[in-house]
Amino acid sequence: GQQVMQIPQYQHVQEGEDFTTYCNSSTTLSNIQWYKQRPGGHPVFLIQLVKSGEVKKQKRLTFQFGEAKKNSSLHITATQTTDVGTYFCAGPQNQAGTALIFGKGTTLSVSS
Amino acid sequence: DSGVTQTPKHLITATGQRVTLRCSPRSGDLSVYWYQQSLDQGLQFLIQYYNGEERAKGNILERFSAQQFPDLHSELNLSSLELGDSALYFCASSVAEGMSGYTFGSGTRLTVV
Repeated sequence: GQQVMQIPQYQHVQEGEDFTTYCNSSTTLSNIQWYKQRPGGHPVFLIQLVKSGEVKKQKRLTFQFGEAKKNSSLHITATQTTDVGTYFCAGPQNQAGTALIFGKGTTLSVSS
Repeated sequence: DSGVTQTPKHLITATGQRVTLRCSPRSGDLSVYWYQQSLDQGLQFLIQYYNGEERAKGNILERFSAQQFPDLHSELNLSSLELGDSALYFCASSVAEGMSGYTFGSGTRLTVV
């Protein structure tokens, strides 16, 4: 079945450094979504990418969807302590499906 | 407050017991999804309902079942509980099937002792 893999599993950075997490799917995705879960919290929807090669920005966060629609990345510029949490990518369970399969996430820690 | 309400927030029960987790979706959302989150397995999709009908199944055990009622709230029933069922159970809802983000509830933390 559908698998979504994320790397790295953990990343520690100094405040002000950049951070990138990568997401790869075993199949072509109709769309990919990104979520953030703060420690002790619940996942919160960040963004959805639909088009091949799409790039979207939210302040210091840049999201990309690969040309083949099988991979995606999230890049954070100049991390802040508020960026701490686990970032998940998620793609549809199958071609006709709407249920999301989540990657295992990348946990970001930031020291000041 | 995300708009998705889950009760109870915490549940401690013994092995072999049965529990029911409840979820009220965000107003206007027709789809409800259940996920299990444990430390080593991430967010595992269990089951999806849309407007009262089962739409998709994931890695849901036979001991687990769910339903969505006419008022769109959903319940996840877990029976013959085992220690390994201890996890955070999230409910999420979305306005439509397909291209829309999920809104998650704050979860129910289940501890089986």
